Amino acid sequence: DIVMTQSPDSLAVSLGERATINCKSSHSVLYYSNNKNSLAWYQQKPGQPPKLLIYWASTRESGVPDRFSGSGSGTDFTLTISSLQAEDVAVYYCQQYYNTPYTFGQGTKLEIK
Amino acid sequence: QVQLVQSGAEVKKPGASVKVSCKASGYTFTSYYMNWVRQAPGQGLEWMGIINPSSGSTSYAQKFQGRVTMTRDTSTSTVYMELSSLRSEDTAVFYCARHPPCPSGVCPEYFDYWGQGTLVTVSS
Repeated sequence: DIVMTQSPDSLAVSLGERATINCKSSHSVLYYSNNKNSLAWYQQKPGQPPKLLIYWASTRESGVPDRFSGSGSGTDFTLTISSLQAEDVAVYYCQQYYNTPYTFGQGTKLEIK
Repeated sequence: QVQLVQSGAEVKKPGASVKVSCKASGYTFTSYYMNWVRQAPGQGLEWMGIINPSSGSTSYAQKFQGRVTMTRDTSTSTVYMELSSLRSEDTAVFYCARHPPCPSGVCPEYFDYWGQGTLVTVSS
C-alpha cells in the first residue's frame, strides 16, 4: 500500500497569512501515460463530509477559491492557502489515487493564530 | 444537481451486521463508480472498497475482505454497504463517495461527491 504522510499534524496561521501543508507518498504517484500526478486534496469541516479542493495535484475543483493551490510531483506535494480566511479552519487531507487501496494522509488541522 | 443521500444512524451490538444505503440522484447512476470510506471518531479517512453500479462488480480493501459486501439496486439508484461481525473498533462514520466521469484514457479516481455520512455505533 502507498503510505501518505502529511506535515505538520497541526498548523496555526494568522488571518491573511499563507498556510502550507505538505504531503509525501511512499511511492511515486506520477502516471507516465498522461504525465499527471494522482494526488487530491480535501477539506473537512466538523460534522461534514470531505470536500474536494484539488485533483491531479494542481487542478482546482470548480467553485474552489483561487487562494487554494496545489503543487508538487512524484512523491512530494504541497497545498497552499495564499491568504487564510476564517472559513478555511478545517482538517485537510491528501489522497493518492495512483492505485488501490486508495490511501489518505493522516490529516492536518488548520487553525487561526 | 448531484446528491448522495445516506441512511440514518445505526446502533449495533458486537457480532451483528449493519447495512448502509446511499441513494444517488442528479446523474446517470450506472455511469460512475461508487466507493465507501470509513472515518472513526476523531480519526482519518480509510477506503473500504468500490462498486461498479453498472455491472455490480466490486473490489474491496484487503483489511475488509470477508466482512464487507457492496451491492447496488439500479431500479432505485442506490448502493449498499454491509459490514458484518461488527466490533467496537468499527464505530465510525461511513461515507459513500463517487468517482468523477471517465471520458477516455486514464480514469480519475479521486472523489468528487460525498454522501453526508452515516454514523454506526457498535456497543454492547
